[in-house]
Amino acid sequence: GQNIDQPTEMTATEGAIVQINCTYQTSGFNGLFWYQQHAGEAPTFLSYNVLDGLEEKGRFSSFLSRSKGYSYLLLKELQMKDSASYLCAVTPGGGSWGKLQFGAGTQVVVTP
Amino acid sequence: DAGVTQSPTHLIKTRGQQVTLRCSPKSGHDTVSWYQQALGQGPQFIFQYYEEEERQRGNFPDRFSGHQFPNYSSELNVNALLLGDSALYLCASSFENRASYEQYFGPGTRLTVT
Repeated sequence: GQNIDQPTEMTATEGAIVQINCTYQTSGFNGLFWYQQHAGEAPTFLSYNVLDGLEEKGRFSSFLSRSKGYSYLLLKELQMKDSASYLCAVTPGGGSWGKLQFGAGTQVVVTP
Repeated sequence: DAGVTQSPTHLIKTRGQQVTLRCSPKSGHDTVSWYQQALGQGPQFIFQYYEEEERQRGNFPDRFSGHQFPNYSSELNVNALLLGDSALYLCASSFENRASYEQYFGPGTRLTVT
């Protein structure tokens, strides 16, 4: 079956660190995306992991373990503008390039 | 450089009617995918168009159909609308041969079926 799980909501204080976990069970796997989506707006690309390990991009980092079906997105030095939904998405393998399977999203609330 | 554009922004339709949504991909992109996002949920893949043909399809009924034009723009058609079709419809474009296969999303069309 196809299953992508992530927590529904997380709350953190401005300046803190938050880690959003994502576990997946899909019939194939080629890579994992993280997208940010502010309310009423389009999802915007944050990261793409294909190989195991940590990818760092400024305040955001993403980790992937293919053997464990696990990824996390780490948000450091939280800012108020980081309040948004964070979507984990998997691209299946084979000929399914570009077909993203999304989790339900994690709503991050940053408080002053 | 124009990003992905979609029209209309909002739409209200009555149950049983038909609707057409439009998408223009980001400049240089040749592949268009459509997603349905219900409130509080992640986007669900409807189908993908490449070279004017439907290449992949998600778990959506035949009431959902589409088209891609020679200029790579695309339309999503939904027939016999149901209340459950109310959602944000997102179009995403990508470049077939780009290694990262990153998809760029448009702002979406908010469809309300009454």
